[in-house]
Amino acid sequence: DQQVKQNSPSLSVQEGRISILNCDYTNSMFDYFLWYKKYPAEGPTFLISISSIKDKNEDGRFTVFLNKSAKHLSLHIVPSQPGDSAVYFCAAGSNQGGKLIFGQGTELSVKP
Amino acid sequence: EPEVTQTPSHQVTQMGQEVILRCVPISNHLYFYWYRQILGQKVEFLVSFYNNEISEKSEIFDDQFSVERPDGSNFTLKIRSTKLEDSAMYFCASSDPNYGYTFGSGTRLTVV
Repeated sequence: DQQVKQNSPSLSVQEGRISILNCDYTNSMFDYFLWYKKYPAEGPTFLISISSIKDKNEDGRFTVFLNKSAKHLSLHIVPSQPGDSAVYFCAAGSNQGGKLIFGQGTELSVKP
Repeated sequence: EPEVTQTPSHQVTQMGQEVILRCVPISNHLYFYWYRQILGQKVEFLVSFYNNEISEKSEIFDDQFSVERPDGSNFTLKIRSTKLEDSAMYFCASSDPNYGYTFGSGTRLTVV
């Protein structure tokens, strides 16, 4: 089941620069998308979401962009901080109360 | 901030034994879920629960698995006869009607 894909297993960024994490999906029925951050041995922590009626949602240093025609979303973190180092998962869902389909995750490392 | 609470944090069991993983979802949430993450793999949906019944389940959720909401606050996942390949992190989650998913910290299940 590869409905949600994160093709970059890892990303390394210098502190203060922009981190861009990418996610592609194949199911056009998805109508909301979420980004989660996960530390080892902890549960996923919600970061930011976007519904399919929008193309951008911003919350502080985090911005999610959705390109429905390309079935692509991205998470921008600016400026990146060492505390942002974690695994980032994108997830997608298609109805209220429905399951989330997760990508494989991208491990972000922000170097001081 | 409301939390989803999971117990125990780590469970070691012998192959063939039954285990029960426990979760206390957020009190005003209506949808409840179990997900799991095998080491090095992505987070996978197991089952969703709404209005005291299973609303959706994945092919992973076979007859060895069951869920229950016995008392209006706890939400449990039972694995009847554990196998080595059931070793994983199990995450409980709950959501409100506005797609507000919250995950617990997880239970690490080790089957030996």
